[in-house]
Amino acid sequence: GQQVMQIPQYQHVQEGEDFTTYCNSSTTLSNIQWYKQRPGGHPVFLIQLVKSGEVKKQKRLTFQFGEAKKNSSLHITATQTTDVGTYFCAPHDDYKLSFGAGTTVTVRA
Amino acid sequence: NAGVTQTPKFQVLKTGQSMTLQCAQDMNHNSMYWYRQDPGMGLRLIYYSASEGTTDKGEVPNGYNVSRLNKREFSLRLESAAPSQTSVYFCASSEQVPAAANTGELFFGEGSRLTVL
Repeated sequence: GQQVMQIPQYQHVQEGEDFTTYCNSSTTLSNIQWYKQRPGGHPVFLIQLVKSGEVKKQKRLTFQFGEAKKNSSLHITATQTTDVGTYFCAPHDDYKLSFGAGTTVTVRA
Repeated sequence: NAGVTQTPKFQVLKTGQSMTLQCAQDMNHNSMYWYRQDPGMGLRLIYYSASEGTTDKGEVPNGYNVSRLNKREFSLRLESAAPSQTSVYFCASSEQVPAAANTGELFFGEGSRLTVL
C-alpha cells in the first residue's frame, strides 16, 4: 500500500504562532485526505485534495497538494488551544485509505 | 442519527480468549473498515468491506476475521487473543469505495479499547 511519512511526529507550539506539518510519499498519490483526532477521541475528516497544486483553506487551516502529487502539507496560523490533537494524512491506495503516523500537536498557552 | 456505533467500548481479555467487536452504521454506506491504532503508528487497516458481501485483507489481518453481516453491520473477531492485539480498534464507514477521484470521507466510531493480558 501507499506509504507516507509525516513530519514532524511532534509539534509543540506557542499559542498564537504558526506551524506546518508535512506528508511525504515516494510515489504519486491519486488523492489524499486529512483527519484530526483529539486526545481520547476518534479521527474526524478535515479535507480531501485531488488536483495537482491544489490549495484549500478552512479558516486558519491551509491544505496544499504538491505539484507532483507526492506530498501534502497542513499549515495552521495563529494556533489556538482548540488545535490540540493529532493530524493524519491519509492517501488513497486502490480501494482503501492508509494513514500516516500523524503529527501530534500540543499548545503552550 | 448515531453514525457509527461500536461495542464494547472497553474489554479486557486473557491470552487465548476469543471475542467479537461489533460495528453498525446507520448512514446507508457501502464500505466499512476496521483499523487498529497503536501509539506512534497511526491507524493500520485490518480488514475492509468495499460493499455488502465482500471482505478483503488490509495491512495487518493476521489473527483477525471479519463478517459483513449486512449493509449496516461489520464485525471483527479475535479467535485467540494475544497481548500483541492490545490496541484501540476503530470501525469506519464511507459512502463509496475510495478509489475514484471524488471519494467519500471516512466516518469513525468512538473506538473500542482492548487489553489482552
